[in-house]
Amino acid sequence: QKEVEQNSGPLSVPEGAIASLNCTYSDRVSQSFFWYRQYSGKSPELIMSIYSNGDKEDGRFTAQLNKASQYVSLLIRDSQPSDSATYLCAVKSPLSGGYNKLIFGAGTRLAVHP
Amino acid sequence: DGGITQSPKYLFRKEGQNVTLSCEQNLNHDAMYWYRQDPGQGLRLIYYSQIVNDFQKGDIAEGYSVSREKKESFPLTVTSAQKNPTAFYLCASTSARGGQVTTNEKLFFGSGTQLSVL
Repeated sequence: QKEVEQNSGPLSVPEGAIASLNCTYSDRVSQSFFWYRQYSGKSPELIMSIYSNGDKEDGRFTAQLNKASQYVSLLIRDSQPSDSATYLCAVKSPLSGGYNKLIFGAGTRLAVHP
Repeated sequence: DGGITQSPKYLFRKEGQNVTLSCEQNLNHDAMYWYRQDPGQGLRLIYYSQIVNDFQKGDIAEGYSVSREKKESFPLTVTSAQKNPTAFYLCASTSARGGQVTTNEKLFFGSGTQLSVL
């Protein structure tokens, strides 16, 4: 079982619609979760981080976390063509020595069409 | 401006050749990481370093080597032992330390190096 799983897509939504991206993780003790957006050939950029069960909103983005179900999601409201990218889910995992690493899912490709 | 600089942007390797990817940061971060990304796959950790003169293998270290002689620099060498080196390589750094959750957690990425085999 992969540690972080995402549907690879592509997820195609019309402009103005809500895009829903899902992610499941295997380590029950994980506490920190992140959503990154990555355009083709570019490095990932952090969109949202979430640590507590429930919803966290930032502009058009809402992250949802359910630790009991080991599930985290990202909602994008009023989707725009510029939102077309690959969205990576990441989970923090501790390293010996005090720092942490991020374990990434394979990403979901989102296509927003006019 | 503070950030992470990776070079070159594109790199070509001949069979049997070692190549080195550069990563420099001026963020004063202790922890630095190298990730590899293949098409349709997530980022996989190659090596990481939490302090100068110390580094540890990640999940896919075979065929790679690193050094950390200065806090600012964490170069990655792709050796001839790496039989499938074609990938997008990302360097990252962070100042966030410890197991406690902190709202300041962020992994800073460089712009990446696309490595291809000739």
